Amino acid sequence: AQSVAQPEDQVNVAEGNPLTVKCTYSVSGNPYLFWYVQYPNRGLQFLLKYITGDNLVKGSYGFEAEFNKSQTSFHLKKPSALVSDSALYFCAVRDRTGGSYIPTFGRGTSLIVHP
Amino acid sequence: EPEVTQTPSHQVTQMGQEVILRCVPISNHLYFYWYRQILGQKVEFLVSFYNNEISEKSEIFDDQFSVERPDGSNFTLKIRSTKLEDSAMYFCASSEAHRAGGTETQYFGPGTRLLVL
Repeated sequence: AQSVAQPEDQVNVAEGNPLTVKCTYSVSGNPYLFWYVQYPNRGLQFLLKYITGDNLVKGSYGFEAEFNKSQTSFHLKKPSALVSDSALYFCAVRDRTGGSYIPTFGRGTSLIVHP
Repeated sequence: EPEVTQTPSHQVTQMGQEVILRCVPISNHLYFYWYRQILGQKVEFLVSFYNNEISEKSEIFDDQFSVERPDGSNFTLKIRSTKLEDSAMYFCASSEAHRAGGTETQYFGPGTRLLVL
């Protein structure tokens, strides 16, 4: 079984400050991990993914995420937030050892960046 | 940049009526998916489709649901007899292929908001 948790419904940060959106996961084997962003009235847009290799993954729009196997986490980060980063962020996990290609999504975290 | 498109953007229907949600996946993609998101809840997988047949489905995808690729471009989700609890945002997604290790990325459409009264 695979699951993902996003413990914060909402994250507030001031523009220019660093941001972190948290994600923890549970899989039977090893994970593939994904972050998606959803802007109002738009579909989910792919940001980045962890497959293997470096634990720090860099993605679109200056975002990065760090895979931490011991803490089963994959937190999304950005050094300096922009107001335009305000959106809904979804973490997803897929167990690479299973036969399914379907990821499990978290409930989403609303990021609000204040000017 | 190619995008997944969905129509309609909003649909209101009466309980018991049939609805068809439409999607046009990215043209060179081979795998297609439907997800739903009930308001305030997480995105849930419904079904995946490849080579004109269902490849995976969740327990949500019961006999009232069906999918079809009628003309080589559209990918549809039909709900035969809608229930109140079918009210949700329905997302279509597509991906190029299932590469070795399953590292493909799914690209999502903007969604159809379905309201069942």
